[in-house]
Amino acid sequence: KQEVTQIPAALSVPEGENLVLNCSFTDSAIYNLQWFRQDPGKGLTSLLLIQSSQREQTSGRLNASLDKSSGRSTLYIAASQPGDSATYLCAVFGGSNYKLTFGKGTLLTVNP
Amino acid sequence: DTGVSQNPRHKITKRGQNVTFRCDPISEHNRLYWYRQTLGQGPEFLTYFQNEAQLEKSRLLSDRFSAERPKGSFSTLEIQRTEQGDSAMYLCASSLPGEGAKAFFGQGTRLTVV
Repeated sequence: KQEVTQIPAALSVPEGENLVLNCSFTDSAIYNLQWFRQDPGKGLTSLLLIQSSQREQTSGRLNASLDKSSGRSTLYIAASQPGDSATYLCAVFGGSNYKLTFGKGTLLTVNP
Repeated sequence: DTGVSQNPRHKITKRGQNVTFRCDPISEHNRLYWYRQTLGQGPEFLTYFQNEAQLEKSRLLSDRFSAERPKGSFSTLEIQRTEQGDSAMYLCASSLPGEGAKAFFGQGTRLTVV
């Protein structure tokens, strides 16, 4: 059974700081990995998708890496802003089934 | 708006009542998923459709839950005889076929059972 773990569970940083969120998964036979953002009481917004054959993806100030063999991914946020405050969720797709398995998320607070 | 649409956004119901939620996926997305999310947790898989066929159901989906996707378009999730433990955010997602396809989520339906 696929399990996804996100560390840390919560993170508070001052504005402007660079930060890294971590995600690990137990079954490396995945098709892709997605990072999502969730604002309180809202749905999920996809940030980045990394295919299993890729090592990283970038979008603006966000960079996500994937090391499939070791079951790890990181989301790097550069020059954080208060608007980045949200819960960030990591999810892996596939392995033995066609569904996304999520971690519990990292609650990020960026202080002005 | 061409995103995934869910209705209603919020639902408050009394314990024991039945509720039904609707999800309209992005057109041409033949995969449709339902997830449930409780406070402080990541979304948990409930069920998955490819076109009108329900291909997988989680053990979380007790016999009080039923999902349909007639004609492979919109989907409904019904909960019968609601219990307080059913209070959660119910999320719908859709995607194109293919292992690398990106999943797009709706804004969710927040269910509160009182």
